[in-house]
Amino acid sequence: GNSVTQMEGPVTLSEEAFLTINCTYTATGYPSLFWYVQYPGEGLQLLLKATKADDKGSNKGFEATYRKETTSFHLEKGSVQVSDSAVYFCALTGGGSNYKLTFGKGTLLTVNP
Amino acid sequence: EAGVAQSPRYKIIEKRQSVAFWCNPISGHATLYWYQQILGQGPKLLIQFQNNGVVDDSQLPKDRFSAERLKGVDSTLKIQPAKLEDSAVYLCASSFYNQPQHFGDGTRLSIL
Repeated sequence: GNSVTQMEGPVTLSEEAFLTINCTYTATGYPSLFWYVQYPGEGLQLLLKATKADDKGSNKGFEATYRKETTSFHLEKGSVQVSDSAVYFCALTGGGSNYKLTFGKGTLLTVNP
Repeated sequence: EAGVAQSPRYKIIEKRQSVAFWCNPISGHATLYWYQQILGQGPKLLIQFQNNGVVDDSQLPKDRFSAERLKGVDSTLKIQPAKLEDSAVYLCASSFYNQPQHFGDGTRLSIL
């Protein structure tokens, strides 16, 4: 079945540092890939997505590129802010008529001023 | 546009009691999902509806969990009887078919 493995946290950075959160996946067919963010006490928000190989998703300074050859979708940001502190989830949908998301375990990011 | 609405936000019950959660999806979204998020883990799909039909309930513990989606709009998820291991956040999400899912803020359930 489908699965997502992402970098264990927590990750602690200083403001303006570079961020990478690794994500690799196992899926049959042609999955779509997502990063969701969860702020304390809130539901998940879609951060970015990519639907085919070599696509780059981007939003709010975050980027991730769909790499089919390495089955990866790593999240990056060049300069993090305190407001980026949250839990980040990598996820995929397997395609077809079942749109369910399969999530990784999440990575807690804390950014200190 | 109004987001996905869930209630209650918090619920505390004793084991073996019953509990119900409610979800109102975004208007026009045909697909509705219930996820269970245990502390420290990613959400896991419990059940997926398309309109008022079930698409996937393979991970729903059917001996204690039930869900329905009335008239293809609102949905309720019920647990009866609750076990300690059901302590989690229950997230509802909706989407327009295969478009990205929008999540509600969730219901945090604590079992004593």
